[in-house]
Amino acid sequence: SQQGEEDPQALSIQEGENATMNCSYKTSINNLQWYRQNSGRGLVHLILIRSNEREKHSGRLRVTLDTSKKSSSLLITASRAADTASYFCATDHLTSGTYKYIFGTGTRLKVLA
Amino acid sequence: SAVISQKPSRDICQRGTSLTIQCQVDSQVTMMFWYRQQPGQSLTLIATANQGSEATYESGFVIDKFPISRPNLTFSTLTVSNMSPEDSSIYLCSVNGARRGYGYTFGSGTRLTVV
Repeated sequence: SQQGEEDPQALSIQEGENATMNCSYKTSINNLQWYRQNSGRGLVHLILIRSNEREKHSGRLRVTLDTSKKSSSLLITASRAADTASYFCATDHLTSGTYKYIFGTGTRLKVLA
Repeated sequence: SAVISQKPSRDICQRGTSLTIQCQVDSQVTMMFWYRQQPGQSLTLIATANQGSEATYESGFVIDKFPISRPNLTFSTLTVSNMSPEDSSIYLCSVNGARRGYGYTFGSGTRLTVV
């Protein structure tokens, strides 16, 4: 399977703490994306990092990418209860002329107030 | 970015019946993607739907079980046929961003329970 692995599978922290999630993938990529999913609803795109980028910031989010290790991390700083959700990484794969995104296994984050 | 209206949001169906899920996009898009998310799991790509051609199915998914229509550039349907309890999942449609690599936009999902 091409599916990426994420760890931890579940993470529980106190409000105000930082949360770090990691994603590993198997093949070369053009970009990697992180998504958030609240309670089994639709996914919300958080941030995209290209293969030639090493770090990217968006508000309280910081994403790093290490293509030599085929891994990425998502850091959420100063977490809030509203950050409670599942987080997925997704990597693009060119298959039969079409780019398709393969999602990682996900990390369930719980932020305790 | 595109806005997708997906319906129904949820349904409870009897085994052996079929359910058709609809996705309407507020702009024209070349490709639409259908995903399945089984309980507690990640998303698995079912198929890619191009307007005017047959959908391309991923390994493990077949047209007889998941027929897809793509009559125009703003609309697609996925049918889950001859349902069994194992089909209980969330089904999501998505489209690519305005430019390649700018993220997918997802519908709000259809939570299907087969009894």
